[in-house]
Amino acid sequence: AQKITQTQPGMFVQEKEAVTLDCTYDTSDPSYGLFWYKQPSSGEMIFLIYQGSYDQQNATEGRYSLNFQKARKSANLVISASQLGDSAMYFCAMRDLTRAQGGSEKLVFGKGMKLTVNP
Amino acid sequence: NAGVTQTPKFRVLKTGQSMTLLCAQDMNHEYMYWYRQDPGMGLRLIHYSVGEGTTAKGEVPDGYNVSRLKKQNFLLGLESAAPSQTSVYFCASSLTDYSTGANVLTFGAGSRLTVL
Repeated sequence: AQKITQTQPGMFVQEKEAVTLDCTYDTSDPSYGLFWYKQPSSGEMIFLIYQGSYDQQNATEGRYSLNFQKARKSANLVISASQLGDSAMYFCAMRDLTRAQGGSEKLVFGKGMKLTVNP
Repeated sequence: NAGVTQTPKFRVLKTGQSMTLLCAQDMNHEYMYWYRQDPGMGLRLIHYSVGEGTTAKGEVPDGYNVSRLKKQNFLLGLESAAPSQTSVYFCASSLTDYSTGANVLTFGAGSRLTVL
């Protein structure tokens, strides 16, 4: 079964500094996708970044990058130059692509972690 | 461009009452999902649908029923509400890009349900 683990319940970072949010995963399938979502205090879920298991390079989207270490089964989110608006809950999620080809479409989420950016 | 719309946004029920949460998407997405979010638990999948007329159970389906009679709508029903169903419910829809495998979910704003 797929499993996503986010062990950091909360982190604090100074504005303009970089921060790494940890995510480890467990799956027996060779083909999968990893996602990060942001949930600000207003409650909506915002997609940040995606990494496929066969992607050769780490994904980047603006200030967000994904440090994908396949052998360690980790997919850490790196936020460069933190901003006050980055304060939010962050969720790592995984989709099993092998089963998806058969029509099953499920995204499994971690429990999330809270990031607070201090001025 | 509305995206995913959930109604109602807030609801208070008494134990044993029934209700239906409505999710509507205008992006022509094939896949739709219902998640619940509880403190410290992340998002857990209740039911999902891979197309009109089809539904499937997720991780925590007990006590809920769903229907997808039209492609754009996905209804979540509680036949006999229990206090354990107090939660924030999120609907989402997606379209898979099979060239990349990316299946980015677009979420609704959430519906906060309290069962007394």
